[in-house]
Amino acid sequence: GAVVSQHPSWVICKSGTSVKIECRSLDFQATTMFWYRQFPKQSLMLMATSNEGSKATYEQGVEKDKFLINHASLTLSTLTVTSAHPEDSSFYICSARAKGQINTGELFFGEGSRLTVL
Amino acid sequence: SQKIEQNSEALNIQEGKTATLTCNYTNYSPAYLQWYRQDPGRGPVFLLLIRENEKEKRKERLKVTFDTTLKQSLFHITASQPADSATYLCALANDYKLSFGAGTTVTVRA
Repeated sequence: GAVVSQHPSWVICKSGTSVKIECRSLDFQATTMFWYRQFPKQSLMLMATSNEGSKATYEQGVEKDKFLINHASLTLSTLTVTSAHPEDSSFYICSARAKGQINTGELFFGEGSRLTVL
Repeated sequence: SQKIEQNSEALNIQEGKTATLTCNYTNYSPAYLQWYRQDPGRGPVFLLLIRENEKEKRKERLKVTFDTTLKQSLFHITASQPADSATYLCALANDYKLSFGAGTTVTVRA
């Protein structure tokens, strides 16, 4: 089956530093990748949608200058949390839609990245 | 405003029984609805997709119904096993994006 790999799976950083999270589709090409954030006991909240080769589309209330998304190839998207603060501590999850499957709906999720900002 | 509501935070059932989870939504007109399983500290895993013109879908011990008039989906796990213990999320497709409910945590007792 389709595999999405996220790295790192967990990261601890100091307040004010930047953290980059990678999301790779290992055995398929992903034209679209989605980044979600999940707080404990809450639902996944969509942060942004990224299409290969174009700028990401951010959801309302998500600061695009704080959460930089790059989707440079059909198999890699990155999320950079810039100048991270304790309130940015969360579980960040990426998902990918395979090329040619826009209407089939299924998303393949990474294992998530737990960010803790001290 | 748009809402996706899943019944109760937690559901505890005896092994072998059927677990029934509910997903209600408002102000959506989804082309399809999906159910995912999420284990603690892991990303969601896709289980089933049901389209707006389908009433029921089955996969092994799982059954999903979709009533667009009631704006509700029911998710059933039959002959439940302890390994089915997890959080189950419903998700609605709108404009090719998925929006998720908060999930229902199912615990199956041996």
